[in-house]
Amino acid sequence: QKEVEQDPGPLSVPEGAIVSLNCTYSNSAFQYFMWYRQYSRKGPELLMYTYSSGNKEDGRFTAQVDKSSKYISLFIRDSQPSDSATYLCAMRRAGFQKLVFGTGTRLLVSP
Amino acid sequence: DAGVIQSPRHEVTEMGQEVTLRCKPISGHDYLFWYRQTMMRGLELLIYFNNNVPIDDSGMPEDRFSAKMPNASFSTLKIQPSEPRDSAVYFCASSWAGGSYNEQFFGPGTRLTVL
Repeated sequence: QKEVEQDPGPLSVPEGAIVSLNCTYSNSAFQYFMWYRQYSRKGPELLMYTYSSGNKEDGRFTAQVDKSSKYISLFIRDSQPSDSATYLCAMRRAGFQKLVFGTGTRLLVSP
Repeated sequence: DAGVIQSPRHEVTEMGQEVTLRCKPISGHDYLFWYRQTMMRGLELLIYFNNNVPIDDSGMPEDRFSAKMPNASFSTLKIQPSEPRDSAVYFCASSWAGGSYNEQFFGPGTRLTVL
């Protein structure tokens, strides 16, 4: 079983929809949770960063962490065609630099 | 800053040939990471360095893979001999431990095809 599980999609939604992307994990030692966005034929870029449990909001993006359920989510409001990309969750333990990534969910937002 | 620089961007080679991928991290960053990305396995960490010293190479698939970091501004990932199953996109990333997020900045990747 992988340490981090993520549905590969693709997830297709119309412009303006609310998108929910999720990951589950098995290692309770993970303390730092991230979402990276990767456009086609580009390297991943950090989108959201959360420490421990709770919510974090940045514009149209909200990241949630539920450590009791070992479940993290990324919500995108008012989705735009420019949001079409692969979204990878990543997490690490405190004091460690090594990130463990999910396989990524491909999102397609149609105009 | 130019960001993380990788070369070549594309590499096509024959099975059995030696392949060398190159990376220049962001100036001032003290961590460097090599990843491999495939459709089946996603993004996998191969090895990472701290201040030019290899810290964790447990992700290196086998002895055919080797990585070096002779100085703070240059690293190589070598595959010898290459095999078709090595075909993937290889990313280099760097980070600075002194930052709030220890964010890893990724290069554009090298797309390797082994025929």
